Amino acid sequence: LAKTTQPISMDSYEGQEVNITCSHNNIATNDYITWYQQFPSQGPRFIIQGYKTKVTNEVASLFIPADRKSSTLSLPRVSLSDTAVYYCLVRPTYGQNFVFGPGTRLSVLP
Amino acid sequence: EPEVTQTPSHQVTQMGQEVILRCVPISNHLYFYWYRQILGQKVEFLVSFYNNEISEKSEIFDDQFSVERPDGSNFTLKIRSTKLEDSAMYFCASRSRDEQYFGPGTRLTVT
Repeated sequence: LAKTTQPISMDSYEGQEVNITCSHNNIATNDYITWYQQFPSQGPRFIIQGYKTKVTNEVASLFIPADRKSSTLSLPRVSLSDTAVYYCLVRPTYGQNFVFGPGTRLSVLP
Repeated sequence: EPEVTQTPSHQVTQMGQEVILRCVPISNHLYFYWYRQILGQKVEFLVSFYNNEISEKSEIFDDQFSVERPDGSNFTLKIRSTKLEDSAMYFCASRSRDEQYFGPGTRLTVT
């Protein structure tokens, strides 16, 4: 499984765009990149998944450069309720479990 | 929107007792997982289950742990003789093709 590295913590203010970058230098050809969000005492919640270029949904955008050795989760106009831990996960689509790192603790300030 | 459910939300047990944590995965999903998260620490994989058998397990999943899908809907995690260090949030997850959907978790407290 590819190892991921992301910042331990980030601070932002309400209304700002937040970009969290994850490094995954040894990503394999059949690996997908998935981001999850976790609030305290709750299960991780799927945000977005991508393989290359850009993926956008109603919650976030995911930018993946051509070499796929990193990815950036972009949260537009964050609110206080976006305060959570965000995990970057890399694995093949089928079968394998997720290996969670410590994630990025995002604090959104008023 | 379909969701994974888990019961109980909180279980308190004494050291050495057996506990069974229950999960109802999303109905058309084929892959099932258990994870745990000790307070303040990262989410750790325990076991994955597919086609009525364990497909992968971690070092944490020793002989004290077992999983079962006793009927078409439930997926259980049993801890035979709980230890203090088993105190954690236990998350069940299920998957069809793409992302895993996690349940709300069961907080297990071993005293």
